Amino acid sequence: DGGITQSPKYLFRKEGQNVTLSCEQNLNHDAMYWYRQDPGQGLRLIYYSQIVNDFQKGDIAEGYSVSREKKESFPLTVTSAQKNPTAFYLCASSEIAGGPYNEQFFGPGTRLTVL
Amino acid sequence: AQSVTQLDSQVPVFEEAPVELRCNYSSSVSVYLFWYVQYPNQGLQLLLKYLSGSTLVKGINGFEAEFNKSQTSFHLRKPSVHISDTAEYFCALNLEGAQKLVFGQGTRLTINP
Repeated sequence: DGGITQSPKYLFRKEGQNVTLSCEQNLNHDAMYWYRQDPGQGLRLIYYSQIVNDFQKGDIAEGYSVSREKKESFPLTVTSAQKNPTAFYLCASSEIAGGPYNEQFFGPGTRLTVL
Repeated sequence: AQSVTQLDSQVPVFEEAPVELRCNYSSSVSVYLFWYVQYPNQGLQLLLKYLSGSTLVKGINGFEAEFNKSQTSFHLRKPSVHISDTAEYFCALNLEGAQKLVFGQGTRLTINP
């Protein structure tokens, strides 16, 4: 069954701690994305990656970091520098980033709460 | 720069009534348009997409959308809604060669019995 998995579903952390959110896909997609979702603000792009070992900042990259060592994995680290990290985080993938169709497939999301 | 505006943040309707969720976009070049649905505490699922060809696009769950180039709109419609359609709906666009989708703010559809 092809798809995107994100773990964990819910995550609680203390303020000042770094935390890493997992995203894995078995769709053989080249491109992967991380979005942050806050109520009433839609989806905002944090980082995206078109190929292994390469990634670009999105609109709100400050306080976040990513890596892309394997095609199927794109973990997101929320660092202590992120001022307001409590949010719903969505991972997505698409066949290729620059293609015109660029249909993105989404994971189920991780809800991060920083106490 | 391209942008997407969803004109209503919330739309309440009664069950079995028709609904239209409005989406306008701004772009000086050809666009590819998408509607996604998000059920509570879940990821997004593609409802339908306009890439080219017929301006009336049919999607899953009985939804359809019409691409109107002159009005720069891509409104989503369903003739008769069900309680299970309660969700948030996002309009998004992509440009030829663009690296990323541009999303609207979302419209929360609430179905009342």
